[in-house]
Amino acid sequence: TQLLEQSPQFLSIQEGENLTVYCNSSSVFSSLQWYRQEPGEGPVLLVTVVTGGEVKKLKRLTFQFGDARKDSSLHITAAQPGDTGLYLCGGTNAGKSTFGDGTTLTVKP
Amino acid sequence: DSGVTQTPKHLITATGQRVTLRCSPRSGDLSVYWYQQSLDQGLQFLIQYYNGEERAKGNILERFSAQQFPDLHSELNLSSLELGDSALYFCASSVEGSGDNEQFFGPGTRLTVL
Repeated sequence: TQLLEQSPQFLSIQEGENLTVYCNSSSVFSSLQWYRQEPGEGPVLLVTVVTGGEVKKLKRLTFQFGDARKDSSLHITAAQPGDTGLYLCGGTNAGKSTFGDGTTLTVKP
Repeated sequence: DSGVTQTPKHLITATGQRVTLRCSPRSGDLSVYWYQQSLDQGLQFLIQYYNGEERAKGNILERFSAQQFPDLHSELNLSSLELGDSALYFCASSVEGSGDNEQFFGPGTRLTVL
């Protein structure tokens, strides 16, 4: 059983559309990180959310941490082909680092 | 560029062999993490070191071992290699050993076992 469940697993949309991906858990996390990974490369840190209910914005990306600190979402406005990639959420639970399986996003021009 | 370096970039070897992967963390980071990423299993946490000491252990096989040296670089040793060990191996580093673990990943080593 995966500690962090990400959905959807795959998402294919047209340029200009909006989308939301989710990261859910039954466990409480002190913080969650979101990463973006391109094929054959290492994940790149996008943001860390720490406080329950926190909302952070990074240009067209909006990240939210659930009030109970068990879930998080990533919303992308007006997606562009450059947003294509694997989006991973990760955190530390019981001292061990854990990641979800990721959402593979494809944005078609 | 995250500041984390990994060598080699690619490694091709045969079953039963032993290999060593090397990682240098970002300047100032004390913690090093190792991950395995294969197509069917996502990013799997193997082991973490903090300032030379083992801090946390994940799904690391007994055939695998790691260490962090006084200069903070780390090595992951994989022995008695099997076909299923073929994967991308990533190293990441962070400033601290726990808490808000913002990790910075290296470019990875692609291991192919034939």
